Amino acid sequence: RKEVEQDPGPFNVPEGATVAFNCTYSNSASQSFFWYRQDCRKEPKLLMSVYSSGNEDGRFTAQLNRASQYISLLIRDSKLSDSATYLCVVKGGGFKTIFGAGTRLFVKA
Amino acid sequence: SQTIHQWPATLVQPVGSPLSLECTVEGTSNPNLYWYRQAAGRGLQLLFYSVGIGQISSEVPQNLSASRPQDRQFILSSKKLLLSDSGFYLCAWTQGGELEQYFGPGTRLTVT
Repeated sequence: RKEVEQDPGPFNVPEGATVAFNCTYSNSASQSFFWYRQDCRKEPKLLMSVYSSGNEDGRFTAQLNRASQYISLLIRDSKLSDSATYLCVVKGGGFKTIFGAGTRLFVKA
Repeated sequence: SQTIHQWPATLVQPVGSPLSLECTVEGTSNPNLYWYRQAAGRGLQLLFYSVGIGQISSEVPQNLSASRPQDRQFILSSKKLLLSDSGFYLCAWTQGGELEQYFGPGTRLTVT
């Protein structure tokens, strides 16, 4: 079993749609969680950290479920500019950070 | 503000040739530095990390090596490249106890 698993997609949605991505992780001792966004042939950029209580940043909402060992990202009112690959990132103790392979999103007009 | 630079941006090298990729960070001191590789369609694989000058930890045994000759400089090297070394090489940094990593623009390496 992979340490961090994501549905590779692609998710094809129209503008204005709501889309959700899930990510599961295998190490119950994982401590920190993040979502990154990666545009084609570019470096990943931090989208948001994921807190136990859940957090929201504009149209983006992240949730953590420690009992089931998954995190989610919800995007409301999708924009064309949201088209990208979304990486789930899990960090345990120390310096080890595990990146998921990413979920591709295409938002169409 | 902090910025991170990588060069070259793209590189095409023959099998068996040496490699040197450089990463520098500006606007901070004593950062933690990381080298990752991303193969096509795959997730990021941590190769090396460093918490200070001369301190390198390797996550995956392979024909690559890393060095940190200065506080804000991180170098990835190989004596002889393999076809499997092709990929997108990313340098990242964190500051102290912060958890979020920030990435440089990357070097796209093709070994032919």
